[in-house]
Amino acid sequence: AQSVTQPDIHITVSEGASLELRCNYSYGATPYLFWYVQSPGQGLQLLLKYFSGDTLVQGIKGFEAEFKRSQSSFNLRKPSVHWSDAAEYFCAVGGPSGGYNKLIFGAGTRLAVHP
Amino acid sequence: ETGVTQTPRHLVMGMTNKKSLKCEQHLGHNAMYWYKQSAKKPLELMFVYSLEERVENNSVPSRFSPECPNSSHLFLHLHTLQPEDSALYLCASSQDRGPADTQYFGPGTRLTVL
Repeated sequence: AQSVTQPDIHITVSEGASLELRCNYSYGATPYLFWYVQSPGQGLQLLLKYFSGDTLVQGIKGFEAEFKRSQSSFNLRKPSVHWSDAAEYFCAVGGPSGGYNKLIFGAGTRLAVHP
Repeated sequence: ETGVTQTPRHLVMGMTNKKSLKCEQHLGHNAMYWYKQSAKKPLELMFVYSLEERVENNSVPSRFSPECPNSSHLFLHLHTLQPEDSALYLCASSQDRGPADTQYFGPGTRLTVL
C-alpha cells in the first residue's frame, strides 16, 4: 500500500541555518512526489514536484528536493532559512488509483524558526 | 479572484444545523476534490469529482453530501454533524485526473461543530 512517512513532527532551526526535512515513501511503481507548505490558517501551497528526469528538483522560495530511489526518500532542503519559512510542510506521493490521481500525504513536519 | 477560493473561511454550527461549504476554482481545471484535515492526522481525501461526475467517495458518512454543478464549483452540504467533524475542510482542483496533474488547494474552511 502507498504510504508517506515524515519522521520529524517538529523541527526548530535558527534563521540563516540550513534545513532538511525528511520524507520516505512506499509506492509500488514510479512515484509522483510533491512537497506542500501550509502557513497557519491557510491552505496548502505547492513547493515543488518530481515526476521523472533530474533527481534534484528546484522549487519556489529557494527550496529544493532530491529523489533517491534506492532510499525511497524525497527530502526537502533549503540552504538558508528565513523567519517566514515557519510553517507546516507536507510530503505527498501520488499515483493513479481508481481512475484519478490519488495523493497520499504524510503527517507533516512543523518548522519553527528562531531569530 | 485567482486560484481556488473557499467560503466561508470559518463556520460554527450546531449538530442539528444544515450548512454548505462552497469552493470555486478559476483555473479552468476539470477535477475537484474535498479533503478533511483534522488535528494530528494526515489529510484525508473525501470526494473526487471529474467533469462534474463523482469518481470517488472515500467512505465518507452520509451526513456529508457533495455537489458539483459545473467544473468550476464544488459544494459540501453538511447536516446533523458530530463534534468530531470539526476540522479544516480543504478544496483542491487539478487540470485532469492523471498522476501528473498537480492539485492546487484553497485556503480551507475551519468548521467547528458544537
